[in-house]
Amino acid sequence: SQQGEEDPQALSIQEGENATMNCSYKTSINNLQWYRQNSGRGLVHLILIRSNEREKHSGRLRVTLDTSKKSSSLLITASRAADTASYFCALRNQAGTALIFGKGTTLSVSS
Amino acid sequence: GAVVSQHPSWVICKSGTSVKIECRSLDFQATTMFWYRQFPKQSLMLMATSNEGSKATYEQGVEKDKFLINHASLTLSTLTVTSAHPEDSSFYICSARDGQGPAGGQPQHFGDGTRLSIL
Repeated sequence: SQQGEEDPQALSIQEGENATMNCSYKTSINNLQWYRQNSGRGLVHLILIRSNEREKHSGRLRVTLDTSKKSSSLLITASRAADTASYFCALRNQAGTALIFGKGTTLSVSS
Repeated sequence: GAVVSQHPSWVICKSGTSVKIECRSLDFQATTMFWYRQFPKQSLMLMATSNEGSKATYEQGVEKDKFLINHASLTLSTLTVTSAHPEDSSFYICSARDGQGPAGGQPQHFGDGTRLSIL
């Protein structure tokens, strides 16, 4: 299955703390993407990391990829209440066309 | 850039009605669009891949005659839920990929979703 599995399912932290969520997968990949979904809305692309990259940064986001362990992590530093959302990792399906999403991590950041 | 507009955002209708949802890429050409379905607090389930000018490719378990997909232009795909029943109530999200370049290294751009409630 191309579906990634996020861990933890839910995460509650205080503003200013860091949030780390993980994604494990089973197949070989060319890249892995992270998306964010605010409640009742569509998804927003956060970051794409290629299989030959180990780490990538975008603002307060840091994504790592360990292809030997088939896992990726998303770190949000200095979290804000506005970071409250669900976060999904996404992999390409077998045909290489569509993205397949894991079940997501629901992050709650309280002020 | 890369805006996907989905309409309507919310629809309530009676059982037996057919409902059409539109997905438009506003500032890019989308040769491929995708339709997902999401139940509360669940992940997105890919329903079908819509290719401009050809038939959609449906995922296993998705009824083609129930969920009609049309991708008549490079900027518009429609999903019609035919003879909708309460079990079809869900959050439907479309997504589009910019037609330029290979699929692998590109993000997909998502609409804001349509919440469908069938009474």
